[in-house]
Amino acid sequence: GDSVTQMEGPVTLSEEAFLTINCTYTATGYPSLFWYVQYPGEGLQLLLKATKADDKGSNKGFEATYRKETTSFHLEKGSVQVSDSAVYFCALRDNFNKFYFGSGTKLNVKP
Amino acid sequence: GAVVSQHPSRVICKSGTSVKIECRSLDFQATTMFWYRQFPKQSLMLMATSNEGSKATYEQGVEKDKFLINHASLTLSTLTVTSAHPEDSSFYICSATSLLAGAANEQFFGPGTRLTVL
Repeated sequence: GDSVTQMEGPVTLSEEAFLTINCTYTATGYPSLFWYVQYPGEGLQLLLKATKADDKGSNKGFEATYRKETTSFHLEKGSVQVSDSAVYFCALRDNFNKFYFGSGTKLNVKP
Repeated sequence: GAVVSQHPSRVICKSGTSVKIECRSLDFQATTMFWYRQFPKQSLMLMATSNEGSKATYEQGVEKDKFLINHASLTLSTLTVTSAHPEDSSFYICSATSLLAGAANEQFFGPGTRLTVL
């Protein structure tokens, strides 16, 4: 079945460092790919998405490119801030609108 | 817009009791709501899909008599954990799909409910 694998955390970075959170997926069809962010005490919020191969999703300085050849959707940000500290979830939506989530990666950004 | 709330945010109960968790879409009508369960350091696992006015569709391995889902209106779905046991302790998250133009099929998530069964 479809699945998502993302790097385990926590990831600890200093402010202004470069961020990469790896995400790979397994899917039988043509999924859409998502990154969600969960701040402490809050629900999941959509960060960015890509609906087809080679699409790049971007928002708030975060980017991820849908790579079909490597079945990946890695999240990147050039310069993280303390306010980016949160848990990040990679997810895919299959052709039946069913979502599959990765296990989440906690990001800690230190000033 | 597109805010989803859950109540309660935390609940502690004794083994054998039943617990009801509410999921509300506050500013939009949600034809479909989803219930997820999340174990520590693990993925969100879809438990069931709930459509307003019809029976919920449960994922394989989820006991429908154990986890009762009611979706009585376009803004409210409830999950009742019946005869709860310690192994039911988990973080339960709901999400809803909006009919808003441009947001079709996007899921909006609630903040989750932490259930602890003693």
